[in-house]
Amino acid sequence: GAGVSQTPSNKVTEKGKYVELRCDPISGHTALYWYRQSLGQGPEFLIYFQGTGAADDSGLPNDRFFAVRPEGSVSTLKIQRTERGDSAVYLCASSLGDRGPYEQYFGPGTRLTVT
Amino acid sequence: SQQGEEDPQALSIQEGENATMNCSYKTSINNLQWYRQNSGRGLVHLILIRSNEREKHSGRLRVTLDTSKKSSSLLITASRAADTASYFCATDAVTGGGNKLTFGTGTQLKVEL
Repeated sequence: GAGVSQTPSNKVTEKGKYVELRCDPISGHTALYWYRQSLGQGPEFLIYFQGTGAADDSGLPNDRFFAVRPEGSVSTLKIQRTERGDSAVYLCASSLGDRGPYEQYFGPGTRLTVT
Repeated sequence: SQQGEEDPQALSIQEGENATMNCSYKTSINNLQWYRQNSGRGLVHLILIRSNEREKHSGRLRVTLDTSKKSSSLLITASRAADTASYFCATDAVTGGGNKLTFGTGTQLKVEL
């Protein structure tokens, strides 16, 4: 079946602009996770949803970052007033639940470049 | 922040040889997972080992876990060129919950023909 999809695959934006990154999880997966990966590093947790609610947003770096999952499926990560330091690959993952252990299935990521 | 370190940072071997990567972490965990990432691609789950397990096998992969030392190792036997990738360990901490993963810094494996 279809895996996790993310759009766009690449996004170049100017400093100060607003961006939205979309994640479409595997159908039936109730848990959805966002991670950020900088060059040469492992992914770092940002936020996760169980259903429609953000269960843990402790990884969001500041209030310029926000994510929603209004219908418990697709999620959007929103970044306001982008800064060059936001440049990274943003990864989305989904799993059957959050009371596992459950394997997390990752999407291909969105490469964000802030110029 | 990263949970811990992987060792070595980079490893180059010949096809057919075995590759061993080590991972250390900092906090008590529920389970530890290993992921592979090919250049420019997403992460692929390889294997999961629970905190009450000491060793697990899957095909050419063998994972060990020593919770007293807060360390794990991944052994890939009879390596192939297609195994060339970055390998990450990821832990699911006891506190915090929700299966959110904390990744290590990764080992870059290159398997040469």
